[in-house]
Amino acid sequence: GDSVTQMEGPVTLSEEAFLTINCTYTATGYPSLFWYVQYPGEGLQLLLKATKADDKGSNKGFEATYRKETTSFHLEKGSVQVSDSAVYFCALDTSNTGKLIFGQGTTLQVKP
Amino acid sequence: KAGVTQTPRYLIKTRGQQVTLSCSPISGHRSVSWYQQTPGQGLQFLFEYFSETQRNKGNFPGRFSGRQFSNSRSEMNVSTLELGDSALYLCASSPEAGGSTDTQYFGPGTRLTVL
Repeated sequence: GDSVTQMEGPVTLSEEAFLTINCTYTATGYPSLFWYVQYPGEGLQLLLKATKADDKGSNKGFEATYRKETTSFHLEKGSVQVSDSAVYFCALDTSNTGKLIFGQGTTLQVKP
Repeated sequence: KAGVTQTPRYLIKTRGQQVTLSCSPISGHRSVSWYQQTPGQGLQFLFEYFSETQRNKGNFPGRFSGRQFSNSRSEMNVSTLELGDSALYLCASSPEAGGSTDTQYFGPGTRLTVL
C-alpha cells in the first residue's frame, strides 16, 4: 500500500544552519505531496505542497521539490531559526477522498 | 475566515465510557476528515465525510464512528473506550469533493485521555 518514510529524528541544528529533512514515498498513481508542521500543543499547519512531478513547493523559506524519479520530497531551508523548532510531517494523498498518509514525523530543534 | 474548530479541547474519560467529539469546518468547506495521533502509531486516518456520506474509512474497529450534518459539521464517536484510545484527535476540512490536490486544513485537536 501507499506509504511515506521520513528520516529519523530528532534533528538538532544551530540557528542559521541549513536544514534537510528527507522524505520518500511509495504510491500507486500520481499522489500530491505535502509538508505539514506541528508546533507544541497545536494541530497541523500546511507548510507547502506539490501536486505533480518537478513542482516545487515553497513557503516561509522552506522548499521541497517533487521528484518522481527518486520518489522523494525532501524539505530544505537555507537558514533555520529557533522559531522553526517543531515536528515536521511529510504526507501524500492519492485517494481523492480526503485520506492523507503521513510519515512518522521528524522533530527539529534549533538552538540559539 | 475562521479556521477549523474542535470541541472540546480536552477530555478525560474512564474505560468503558463513550465519547463524542465535534468538528466545525472552515465556512464553505464540504469535506471533513478525522485522524488519530498517538506517539506509537503516529497520525492515522479514521474516516472522511462529504455531503453527509462517509467516503473513506481507515483501519479502525467499529467502536469508532462518525457522521456529518447538512451544515458540514461533523462528529465522531468512540464507544466502549479503551486505554489505547488515549490520543489527540484531529479534524481537517477541505473545500472540494475530492481531488488529491485539495489541501486539508487542520483544527487544534481534541486531547482524549482514557483512565
